[in-house]
Amino acid sequence: AQKITQTQPGMFVQEKEAVTLDCTYDTSDQSYGLFWYKQPSSGEMIFLIYQGSYDEQNATEGRYSLNFQKARKSANLVISASQLGDSAMYFCAMRPLPPSSGSARQLTFGSGTQLTVLP
Amino acid sequence: NAGVTQTPKFQVLKTGQSMTLQCAQDMNHNSMYWYRQDPGMGLRLIYYSASEGTTDKGEVPNGYNVSRLNKREFSLRLESAAPSQTSVYFCASDHRGAYSNQPQHFGDGTRLSIL
Repeated sequence: AQKITQTQPGMFVQEKEAVTLDCTYDTSDQSYGLFWYKQPSSGEMIFLIYQGSYDEQNATEGRYSLNFQKARKSANLVISASQLGDSAMYFCAMRPLPPSSGSARQLTFGSGTQLTVLP
Repeated sequence: NAGVTQTPKFQVLKTGQSMTLQCAQDMNHNSMYWYRQDPGMGLRLIYYSASEGTTDKGEVPNGYNVSRLNKREFSLRLESAAPSQTSVYFCASDHRGAYSNQPQHFGDGTRLSIL
């Protein structure tokens, strides 16, 4: 079984500053993928960034980067130069990759972090 | 670019009523999913369909049924709605290939209230 823990229910950041959203995970799978999604107040789920457990480099997508520390089982999302539009709920999620198969390869979500960007 | 389309967006039911939530995707994905989102609990998987013709239970399947009508459509049915099923429901889809590093694409959600 997999578990995702997001220990920060709410975070505040000043506009233009960087912010780190924490995510730790627990899994017995050797190969897995980590995802971050953004959910603005309008409710839709927006995919931000992906990190594979065997990827040697940390993933980056524009202002988003993933600080992946495999030994610590953490996959923190870093948002640089925060914008007012970044205010949203952020979810960390994980799914096993092959050789895991069948129902074990489902996406497990954390409880989310509500980020508020202050002007 | 429609992506994943859910209907309806909002619904209010009385306890004991039945309802079907509809979901369709136009991305030629082979796998589809139904989640519920409750405050403070993230998204939990209700049912999923790995491919056309197959469905399987997720973490919280009780009180729900699903139908994978074809490759595009995956519906969720509440046979006898209960207040505990008040939630936001999301449909998602992805291409479940050998390397499942592709993100799931989500619909905009259905806000369901059971009185």
